[in-house]
Amino acid sequence: VQLVQSGAEVKKPGSSVKVSCKVSGGSFSTITISWVRQAPGQGLEWMGRIIPFFGTSTYAQNFQGRVTITADVSTTTVYLELSSLKSDDTAIYYCAREVEKGLWGQGTLVTVSS
Amino acid sequence: DIQMTQSPSSLSASVGDSVNITCRASQAIYNYLAWYQQKPGKVPKLLIYAASTLQSGVPSRFRGSGSGTDYTLTVSSLQPDDVATYYCQKYNTAPLTFGGGTKVEIK
Repeated sequence: VQLVQSGAEVKKPGSSVKVSCKVSGGSFSTITISWVRQAPGQGLEWMGRIIPFFGTSTYAQNFQGRVTITADVSTTTVYLELSSLKSDDTAIYYCAREVEKGLWGQGTLVTVSS
Repeated sequence: DIQMTQSPSSLSASVGDSVNITCRASQAIYNYLAWYQQKPGKVPKLLIYAASTLQSGVPSRFRGSGSGTDYTLTVSSLQPDDVATYYCQKYNTAPLTFGGGTKVEIK
């Protein structure tokens, strides 16, 4: 099983970004995908997760109202959309499978700059 | 939400030393605790899950212990390759909160 993320993005403040995570191999219906971000020089921050089979998402309180995690079962791809971007949202965004699987995507750098 | 407090935030030790990193949860997390190693510019690597289960391929000098609210990562016989930042993460319920990280350096 592999998680392959979309490429780097540069966005203006106030705009939105949508990052994808393609899940290859394994059964898409039995997995959970989380999104984790890491600002430059900072620690890891869990943003939320989705169970693609049920389409149910749970979000960290810090991101409520600004983040949407969705899944396309037909393409086995999970998406993270973050809106109302600020410079503080500049970070590497990772998708990851269930903790005990220890499988992460390669990361996507999102830069928010005017 | 359960808070995860990790300590120390940094440490410096000699090659061959044993080092301990602790993670304290604000409520019991029933051993749903993972430890990661992250080197600069790299993706976090899972070392230990379920508080004490070593991930496949991880050297046996890494050991996890603890229960309830208090957990410890022990690196016995520290090696130069262990220079990294280490994070704990609770995963019993959402949010799957990380500790603040511990930067490990060699003296």
